[in-house]
Amino acid sequence: AQSVAQPEDQVNVAEGNPLTVKCTYSVSGNPYLFWYVQYPNRGLQFLLKYITGDNLVKGSYGFEAEFNKSQTSFHLKKPSALVSDSALYFCAVRDISRGSQGNLIFGKGTKLSVKP
Amino acid sequence: DADVTQTPRNRITKTGKRIMLECSQTKGHDRMYWYRQDPGLGLRLIYYSFDVKDINKGEISDGYSVSRQAQAKFSLSLESAIPNQTALYFCATSEAGYTYEQYFGPGTRLTVT
Repeated sequence: AQSVAQPEDQVNVAEGNPLTVKCTYSVSGNPYLFWYVQYPNRGLQFLLKYITGDNLVKGSYGFEAEFNKSQTSFHLKKPSALVSDSALYFCAVRDISRGSQGNLIFGKGTKLSVKP
Repeated sequence: DADVTQTPRNRITKTGKRIMLECSQTKGHDRMYWYRQDPGLGLRLIYYSFDVKDINKGEISDGYSVSRQAQAKFSLSLESAIPNQTALYFCATSEAGYTYEQYFGPGTRLTVT
Protein backbone atom coordinates (compact mmCIF):
# COMPACT_ATOMS: atom_id res chain seq x y z
CA ALA A 1 0.00 0.00 0.00
CA GLN A 2 1.10 3.54 -0.65
CA SER A 3 2.10 5.44 2.46
CA VAL A 4 4.00 8.44 3.72
CA ALA A 5 5.67 8.95 7.08
CA GLN A 6 6.85 12.02 8.92
CA PRO A 7 9.02 10.62 11.70
CA GLU A 8 9.17 13.80 13.80
CA ASP A 9 6.12 15.25 15.52
CA GLN A 10 8.00 18.48 16.20
CA VAL A 11 11.16 20.19 15.00
CA ASN A 12 12.72 23.06 16.91
CA VAL A 13 15.13 25.42 15.18
CA ALA A 14 16.75 28.72 16.06
CA GLU A 15 16.09 31.62 13.72
CA GLY A 16 18.77 31.90 11.07
CA ASN A 17 19.74 28.24 11.27
CA PRO A 18 18.98 25.75 8.50
CA LEU A 19 15.91 23.59 8.93
CA THR A 20 14.95 20.14 7.73
CA VAL A 21 11.56 18.47 8.01
CA LYS A 22 11.73 14.80 7.17
CA CYS A 23 9.43 12.70 4.98
CA THR A 24 9.72 9.14 3.74
CA TYR A 25 7.38 7.36 1.39
CA SER A 26 6.41 3.96 0.13
CA VAL A 27 4.93 3.58 -3.34
CA SER A 28 4.81 0.85 -5.94
CA GLY A 29 5.84 3.02 -8.86
CA ASN A 30 7.24 6.46 -9.52
CA PRO A 31 6.23 8.78 -6.68
CA TYR A 32 4.42 12.07 -6.99
CA LEU A 33 5.30 13.98 -3.81
CA PHE A 34 3.99 17.19 -2.31
CA TRP A 35 4.65 19.48 0.65
CA TYR A 36 1.99 21.67 2.26
CA VAL A 37 2.14 24.18 5.11
CA GLN A 38 -0.64 25.05 7.54
CA TYR A 39 -0.43 28.28 9.51
CA PRO A 40 -2.61 28.63 12.62
CA ASN A 41 -6.31 28.95 11.82
CA ARG A 42 -5.66 28.61 8.09
CA GLY A 43 -6.11 25.96 5.43
CA LEU A 44 -3.24 24.07 3.88
CA GLN A 45 -1.10 25.93 1.38
CA PHE A 46 0.85 24.21 -1.36
CA LEU A 47 4.64 24.66 -1.07
CA LEU A 48 6.21 22.47 -3.73
CA LYS A 49 6.02 19.16 -5.56
CA TYR A 50 8.21 16.54 -7.17
CA ILE A 51 6.88 14.87 -10.29
CA THR A 52 9.98 14.11 -12.32
CA GLY A 53 13.31 15.64 -13.27
CA ASP A 54 15.75 17.46 -11.00
CA ASN A 55 15.96 15.91 -7.53
CA LEU A 56 16.12 19.35 -5.89
CA VAL A 57 12.79 21.10 -6.10
CA LYS A 58 12.36 24.75 -5.21
CA GLY A 59 9.09 26.12 -3.88
CA SER A 60 7.42 29.01 -2.14
CA TYR A 61 8.83 31.12 0.73
CA GLY A 62 12.41 29.95 0.11
CA PHE A 63 11.69 26.29 0.79
CA GLU A 64 13.17 23.45 -1.21
CA ALA A 65 12.97 19.69 -1.04
CA GLU A 66 15.34 16.96 -2.06
CA PHE A 67 14.01 13.79 -3.64
CA ASN A 68 16.16 10.75 -2.86
CA LYS A 69 14.95 7.62 -4.61
CA SER A 70 17.39 5.22 -2.94
CA GLN A 71 16.36 6.38 0.53
CA THR A 72 12.70 6.90 -0.47
CA SER A 73 12.79 10.31 1.11
CA PHE A 74 11.57 13.79 0.26
CA HIS A 75 12.90 16.07 3.00
CA LEU A 76 11.86 19.71 3.17
CA LYS A 77 14.66 22.22 3.71
CA LYS A 78 15.35 25.89 4.11
CA PRO A 79 18.84 27.41 4.45
CA SER A 80 17.86 30.04 7.03
CA ALA A 81 14.74 29.69 9.18
CA LEU A 82 12.45 32.56 10.07
CA VAL A 83 10.17 32.85 13.09
CA SER A 84 7.31 33.22 10.59
CA ASP A 85 8.07 29.71 9.26
CA SER A 86 6.60 28.29 12.46
CA ALA A 87 3.67 26.17 11.31
CA LEU A 88 2.48 22.63 10.70
CA TYR A 89 4.00 20.93 7.66
CA PHE A 90 2.47 18.04 5.78
CA CYS A 91 4.09 15.71 3.28
CA ALA A 92 1.80 13.91 0.84
CA VAL A 93 2.16 11.24 -1.83
CA ARG A 94 -0.15 10.54 -4.72
CA ASP A 95 -1.75 7.10 -4.51
CA ILE A 96 -1.24 5.65 -7.99
CA SER A 97 -1.81 2.03 -7.07
CA ARG A 98 -4.10 -0.09 -9.24
CA GLY A 99 -7.73 0.69 -8.48
CA SER A 100 -7.00 3.96 -6.76
CA GLN A 101 -8.23 7.29 -8.01
CA GLY A 102 -4.91 9.03 -7.60
CA ASN A 103 -5.85 10.72 -4.35
CA LEU A 104 -3.31 12.25 -1.99
CA ILE A 105 -2.17 10.38 1.10
CA PHE A 106 -1.02 12.76 3.83
CA GLY A 107 1.50 12.28 6.58
CA LYS A 108 0.51 13.10 10.13
CA GLY A 109 2.27 16.44 10.06
CA THR A 110 5.35 17.95 11.70
CA LYS A 111 5.12 21.03 13.84
CA LEU A 112 7.99 23.40 13.14
CA SER A 113 8.88 25.88 15.86
CA VAL A 114 11.43 28.59 15.06
CA LYS A 115 12.67 30.55 18.07
CA PRO A 116 14.22 34.03 17.88
CA ASP B 1 -6.90 30.39 -0.48
CA ALA B 2 -9.71 32.87 -1.20
CA ASP B 3 -10.68 30.90 -4.33
CA VAL B 4 -12.03 28.12 -2.11
CA THR B 5 -14.50 29.22 0.53
CA GLN B 6 -16.17 27.28 3.30
CA THR B 7 -19.22 28.10 5.41
CA PRO B 8 -19.62 28.19 8.31
CA ARG B 9 -16.11 28.74 9.67
CA ASN B 10 -17.09 27.62 13.14
CA ARG B 11 -20.06 25.61 14.32
CA ILE B 12 -21.16 24.14 17.62
CA THR B 13 -23.97 21.64 17.47
CA LYS B 14 -25.57 19.01 19.66
CA THR B 15 -25.46 15.26 19.35
CA GLY B 16 -28.11 13.97 16.95
CA LYS B 17 -28.48 17.16 14.96
CA ARG B 18 -28.13 17.26 11.19
CA ILE B 19 -25.55 19.70 9.95
CA MET B 20 -24.32 20.77 6.52
CA LEU B 21 -20.94 22.23 5.68
CA GLU B 22 -20.68 24.05 2.38
CA CYS B 23 -17.81 24.59 -0.01
CA SER B 24 -17.62 26.83 -3.05
CA GLN B 25 -14.77 27.40 -5.49
CA THR B 26 -14.02 29.85 -8.25
CA LYS B 27 -10.97 28.03 -9.61
CA GLY B 28 -12.95 26.19 -12.27
CA HIS B 29 -11.67 22.82 -11.10
CA ASP B 30 -13.65 19.66 -11.71
CA ARG B 31 -12.33 17.74 -8.71
CA MET B 32 -13.43 18.48 -5.17
CA TYR B 33 -12.63 16.80 -1.86
CA TRP B 34 -13.67 16.77 1.79
CA TYR B 35 -11.12 15.99 4.52
CA ARG B 36 -11.16 15.99 8.26
CA GLN B 37 -8.15 16.88 10.37
CA ASP B 38 -7.61 15.52 13.86
CA PRO B 39 -4.53 16.27 15.98
CA GLY B 40 -1.83 13.66 15.40
CA LEU B 41 -3.76 11.97 12.59
CA GLY B 42 -3.11 14.31 9.71
CA LEU B 43 -5.77 14.67 7.03
CA ARG B 44 -8.14 11.87 6.17
CA LEU B 45 -10.30 11.80 3.07
CA ILE B 46 -14.06 11.61 3.63
CA TYR B 47 -15.54 11.94 0.12
CA TYR B 48 -14.41 13.16 -3.26
CA SER B 49 -16.00 14.07 -6.56
CA PHE B 50 -14.36 14.19 -9.97
CA ASP B 51 -17.30 15.91 -11.63
CA VAL B 52 -20.94 16.75 -10.93
CA LYS B 53 -22.14 13.21 -11.60
CA ASP B 54 -19.29 11.46 -9.81
CA ILE B 55 -19.24 10.88 -6.04
CA ASN B 56 -16.82 8.54 -4.29
CA LYS B 57 -16.28 7.42 -0.71
CA GLY B 58 -12.96 8.09 0.89
CA GLU B 59 -11.18 6.52 3.81
CA ILE B 60 -13.71 7.56 6.50
CA SER B 61 -17.13 8.10 4.89
CA ASP B 62 -19.30 6.44 7.56
CA GLY B 63 -21.65 8.97 9.18
CA TYR B 64 -21.20 11.48 6.35
CA SER B 65 -22.88 12.21 3.04
CA VAL B 66 -22.16 14.68 0.27
CA SER B 67 -23.89 16.53 -2.53
CA ARG B 68 -22.28 18.04 -5.62
CA GLN B 69 -24.79 20.68 -6.59
CA ALA B 70 -22.69 22.20 -9.36
CA GLN B 71 -19.12 22.21 -10.57
CA ALA B 72 -18.37 24.93 -8.05
CA LYS B 73 -20.26 23.59 -5.02
CA PHE B 74 -19.70 20.54 -2.86
CA SER B 75 -21.52 20.09 0.47
CA LEU B 76 -20.79 17.72 3.33
CA SER B 77 -23.58 16.59 5.65
CA LEU B 78 -23.52 14.90 9.00
CA GLU B 79 -26.90 13.20 9.22
CA SER B 80 -26.83 12.72 12.97
CA ALA B 81 -23.81 14.35 14.55
CA ILE B 82 -21.87 12.57 17.26
CA PRO B 83 -19.09 13.90 19.52
CA ASN B 84 -16.28 11.99 17.77
CA GLN B 85 -17.06 13.98 14.63
CA THR B 86 -15.65 17.01 16.39
CA ALA B 87 -12.80 18.03 14.09
CA LEU B 88 -11.51 20.55 11.59
CA TYR B 89 -13.02 19.98 8.14
CA PHE B 90 -11.38 21.06 4.92
CA CYS B 91 -12.64 21.28 1.37
CA ALA B 92 -10.12 21.11 -1.46
CA THR B 93 -10.13 21.31 -5.25
CA SER B 94 -7.79 20.28 -8.01
CA GLU B 95 -7.45 19.93 -11.72
CA ALA B 96 -7.66 16.45 -13.19
CA GLY B 97 -4.44 14.46 -13.38
CA TYR B 98 -1.75 13.07 -11.13
CA THR B 99 0.63 16.00 -11.33
CA TYR B 100 -1.68 18.67 -9.96
CA GLU B 101 -1.71 19.94 -6.41
CA GLN B 102 -4.85 20.52 -4.36
CA TYR B 103 -6.06 23.90 -3.18
CA PHE B 104 -7.63 24.08 0.26
CA GLY B 105 -10.32 26.19 1.82
CA PRO B 106 -9.83 27.85 5.23
CA GLY B 107 -11.58 25.06 7.12
CA THR B 108 -14.64 24.65 9.32
CA ARG B 109 -14.14 23.95 12.99
CA LEU B 110 -17.01 21.72 14.10
CA THR B 111 -17.75 20.91 17.72
CA VAL B 112 -20.40 18.33 18.60
CA THR B 113 -21.49 18.45 22.23
